[in-house]
Amino acid sequence: DGGITQSPKYLFRKEGQNVTLSCEQNLNHDAMYWYRQDPGQGLRLIYYSQIVNDFQKGDIAEGYSVSREKKESFPLTVTSAQKNPTAFYLCASSESRYEQYFGPGTRLTVT
Amino acid sequence: AQKVTQAQTEISVVEKEDVTLDCVYETRDTTYYLFWYKQPPSGELVFLIRRNSFDEQNEISGRYSWNFQKSTSSFNFTITASQVVDSAVYFCALRNYGQNFVFGPGTRLSVLP
Repeated sequence: DGGITQSPKYLFRKEGQNVTLSCEQNLNHDAMYWYRQDPGQGLRLIYYSQIVNDFQKGDIAEGYSVSREKKESFPLTVTSAQKNPTAFYLCASSESRYEQYFGPGTRLTVT
Repeated sequence: AQKVTQAQTEISVVEKEDVTLDCVYETRDTTYYLFWYKQPPSGELVFLIRRNSFDEQNEISGRYSWNFQKSTSSFNFTITASQVVDSAVYFCALRNYGQNFVFGPGTRLSVLP
């Protein structure tokens, strides 16, 4: 089945540790995105990538890093510099001007 | 600047009632796209519909219908005969041509049995 996978669904980390969230798509989409969602809030764009080996910061990139070495993969690293990392993280992909398709999300809890 | 407003934070209805979710957008571009997404309790956003700025025809899909009016910059979503399974957070989004999505804050719909 075509779609976007994110793993793991739930992730727990100690404060001060970096953690990498996985996002893979087999839709052959050029563009991929990472969003953060806090309880009761909308979506905020962290990073996006229009093509392989290129990515841009979104609205809240501080404390996060990404890579896009393959078209189908766009991992997000939450670094220890991110002050409030506990949140729900959603990955999405799209073709040019059309709709984004989302993965199931990863709930990250940092204590 | 792009902006999407969903003034209704939360709505509660009783099953079988009709409900309309409001969406007002702001953009200076003439070419843009509007979207609605559903986020059930599981968390994954589900795409419902896309409308481009040149197509103001209303659309109906089963119990769902959408009313796009450029004159009022609105793209409202109506659920007819609501069901408990419709309970979710609904997001309206705007995308100017060649740019990123802008999502509204969402409306939480609760359909009570």
